Amino acid sequence: EAGVTQFPSHSVIEKGQTVTLRCDPISGHDNLYWYRRVMGKEIKFLLHFVKESKQDESGMPNNRFLAERTGGTYSTLKVQPAELEDSGVYFCASSHRRTDSPYEQYFGPGTRLTVT
Amino acid sequence: RKEVEQDPGPFNVPEGATVAFNCTYSNSASQSFFWYRQDCRKEPKLLMSVYSSGNEDGRFTAQLNRASQYISLLIRDSKLSDSATYLCVVTSNTGNQFYFGTGTSLTVIP
Repeated sequence: EAGVTQFPSHSVIEKGQTVTLRCDPISGHDNLYWYRRVMGKEIKFLLHFVKESKQDESGMPNNRFLAERTGGTYSTLKVQPAELEDSGVYFCASSHRRTDSPYEQYFGPGTRLTVT
Repeated sequence: RKEVEQDPGPFNVPEGATVAFNCTYSNSASQSFFWYRQDCRKEPKLLMSVYSSGNEDGRFTAQLNRASQYISLLIRDSKLSDSATYLCVVTSNTGNQFYFGTGTSLTVIP
């Protein structure tokens, strides 16, 4: 079974530009999450989709960040316009709610974003 | 106050040693608890879930104390391949949002 995949693995952009990150969850996983780790800090929650609906977006830092999951499959996270403080590693995770282990999340390899 | 507090280490231990990591969490209504392992520049990978009754997986033992809001991980007979950062993870009330500790760095020395 393929794991969570993310594209691109690395992105270097200038301040003010736009970047779109993509995440493909594990097939059949209804729950999709975005997280971010900025340098020296812990991994922090951004938002949670259940299928195509945003269940919780309390962690989104501001309105420069837009996440979508049209059709309930893959998701995109767009940053527009990017600022220096947006640099970090963006992780995507997915989970499938089961009675035996309902909350385990499986992470993708991350996208390392550098804003210069 | 952080949701999850972990000693960042680093822990440098010889092969074969036993090492223990601890973390505390602030939300008494948290639903689930995990230890994840993260290798350098890789994604976090689930090591084990943590239950109040305690659970063991080979050389790894995890324990949860809900009254003290404390989670532990014990690694016995350390291997070189155990070198990594160990992340303590606690969920929100709903169980969906993960709160991560900053991680504890372990290096097992030959």
